[in-house]
Amino acid sequence: AQSVTQLDSHVSVSEGTPVLLRCNYSSSYSPSLFWYVQHPNKGLQLLLKYTSAATLVKGINGFEAEFKKSETSFHLTKPSAHMSDAAEYFCVVPRGYNKLIFGAGTRLAVHP
Amino acid sequence: DGGITQSPKYLFRKEGQNVTLSCEQNLNHDAMYWYRQDPGQGLRLIYYSQIVNDFQKGDIAEGYSVSREKKESFPLTVTSAQKNPTAFYLCASSRETTWENTEAFFGQGTRLTVV
Repeated sequence: AQSVTQLDSHVSVSEGTPVLLRCNYSSSYSPSLFWYVQHPNKGLQLLLKYTSAATLVKGINGFEAEFKKSETSFHLTKPSAHMSDAAEYFCVVPRGYNKLIFGAGTRLAVHP
Repeated sequence: DGGITQSPKYLFRKEGQNVTLSCEQNLNHDAMYWYRQDPGQGLRLIYYSQIVNDFQKGDIAEGYSVSREKKESFPLTVTSAQKNPTAFYLCASSRETTWENTEAFFGQGTRLTVV
């Protein structure tokens, strides 16, 4: 069955430094994969989506993620963190037509 | 503007009470979902509906009930049988197609607290 593991529950970076949020997936085939972002007490917003068209996926707000089948990974990166990036990030894999399986989330803190 | 509206934003429930959370969408989506969010656990699926007058249990449906009488509305009732209802509840919708061709759109959530 499909699942995702987010390797860090908390990540802390300084403003202007790179961001790396790690996600490994488990699937018997190459799945679609998503990254969502959630700001405090808000709903979730789609950052980017992998659908097998290209292994490097660019999303909103300067984020991107690379699908690596050999490593079963889909890590989220951003070259330079901004204070507004502080939020919780979820790696998500679909299971069938109507289920999305969410990772436990990574809380990103950005310090001045 | 198209989107999903959840109300209320904050809800307080006494022990033994049923409460209903509202979710309305104007995106013309067939599929709608209810998720529960607890700290450190990600989101877990409570119920989903692919079409009007039909809905299916998700992974944690016990103590919850839903209805889907209109395409745009998918209310969730938290019953007294739900032993630990304090959580953040999120409603979502999507087009009824493969995930390659759609995404889930989320409301702003309802925070339910038992007092």
